[in-house]
Amino acid sequence: DIVMTQSPDSLAVSLGERATINCKSSQSVLYSSNNKNYLAWYQQKPGQPPKLLIYWASTRESGVPDRFSGSGSGTDFTLTISSLQAEDVAVYYCQQYYSTTITFGPGTKVDIK
Amino acid sequence: EVQLVESGGGLVQPGGSLRLSCAASGFTFSSYNMNWVRQAPGKGLEWVSYISSSGSTIYYADSVKGRFTISRDNAKNSLYLQMNSLRAEDTAVYYCARQAWGGIMNAFDIWGQGTMVTVSS
Repeated sequence: DIVMTQSPDSLAVSLGERATINCKSSQSVLYSSNNKNYLAWYQQKPGQPPKLLIYWASTRESGVPDRFSGSGSGTDFTLTISSLQAEDVAVYYCQQYYSTTITFGPGTKVDIK
Repeated sequence: EVQLVESGGGLVQPGGSLRLSCAASGFTFSSYNMNWVRQAPGKGLEWVSYISSSGSTIYYADSVKGRFTISRDNAKNSLYLQMNSLRAEDTAVYYCARQAWGGIMNAFDIWGQGTMVTVSS
């Protein structure tokens, strides 16, 4: 199975400041035939289901604010919140869907400093 | 409105069985691959199972293989998860999730609110 790791486990950022979350896969999730990275990011707030933010590593889901952006390729990926808002407090998960055994990262908790 | 609504969770003894259902509405259910994902209390997300739009292709996580069975009824716009030989470690909120349209594998763009399964004596 492809193992997903995230760093840091948690971070606290001041309102309006940048938050950066890293995700690493144990093997490449870049499919060479279509040059797409099979990597998604989700946001989960307490008591709610996960919400899709980013797919194909860098494509923002419809309705997601543009302060959220994804980057990276192969095995190393980043989710950036350019200007943290109070409503962004949540746990963020990366997910690979390259393999038929889908795996998630352990999550990164984002709080306000 | 595009919606997924899970049901069927509850308290069950170790070794017991439970059948979860997920009712889909607001989209053409038969066109989408579907998944079950679970989340143990206070823990992260764990993918459980996948079924293709036609039901012809199925995958399971190793942790549930041989015990859980995913199925769907496209005429009833419903997804199911039959869970047998339940263990304490199966205790979790179970979400059904729609896979975004296009390709064999894709991100999960729609999630239900989840149904809680508790395995305890």
